[in-house]
Amino acid sequence: GAVVSQHPSWVICKSGTSVKIECRSLDFQATTMFWYRQFPKQSLMLMATSNEGSKATYEQGVEKDKFLINHASLTLSTLTVTSAHPEDSSFYICSARAGGAQSEQYFGPGTRLTVT
Amino acid sequence: GENVEQHPSTLSVQEGDSAVIKCTYSDSASNYFPWYKQELGKGPQLIIDIRSNVGEKKDQRIAVTLNKTAKHFSLHITETQPEDSAVYFCAAYYNQAGTALIFGKGTTLSVSS
Repeated sequence: GAVVSQHPSWVICKSGTSVKIECRSLDFQATTMFWYRQFPKQSLMLMATSNEGSKATYEQGVEKDKFLINHASLTLSTLTVTSAHPEDSSFYICSARAGGAQSEQYFGPGTRLTVT
Repeated sequence: GENVEQHPSTLSVQEGDSAVIKCTYSDSASNYFPWYKQELGKGPQLIIDIRSNVGEKKDQRIAVTLNKTAKHFSLHITETQPEDSAVYFCAAYYNQAGTALIFGKGTTLSVSS
């Protein structure tokens, strides 16, 4: 149980275009979903937290107009990278939580984004 | 906010030896402490976790200990195997509301046979 999927697993896009990444909780309802970004040989950095039906809360330094997050249902969240640039190339990982504060977070397999 | 420090950044051991990774956290309100294993190109996988009402938890070759007074917790892997080679991250919850996990910088464990 507690499986989180992401699609696509990897994507290549041209500079200036937008790309959407989907995150789904397959066997549970996620009250809260999270998006992390991981650069090579670095740790996971929290980008934003979202609750179903509410606006996402972005971490300091993360541009909300560039990284659009939509948490439309209890099983789906999407991250859209708008006007992508090569510096946005990274490994994007979503996470989902079924319970309340300080409960288990389950992670997806990640999406490798390369912007050319 | 929460700050999680993790040491060492790299750890090399011989197969069969034990490995210990340590983390400290800053927010005394944190009460859930997971450890994740991440293999190259994959998402992090939860391997063990502990809550603040216990001091130690064990699952086969893996154990986690917690010292709430000192605000540190450790991962112990015994009888290491080459397949244990990966990056290990500790994490703790961010701010008193327990909004999201934040991660230590990671430890690259290499087990040589």
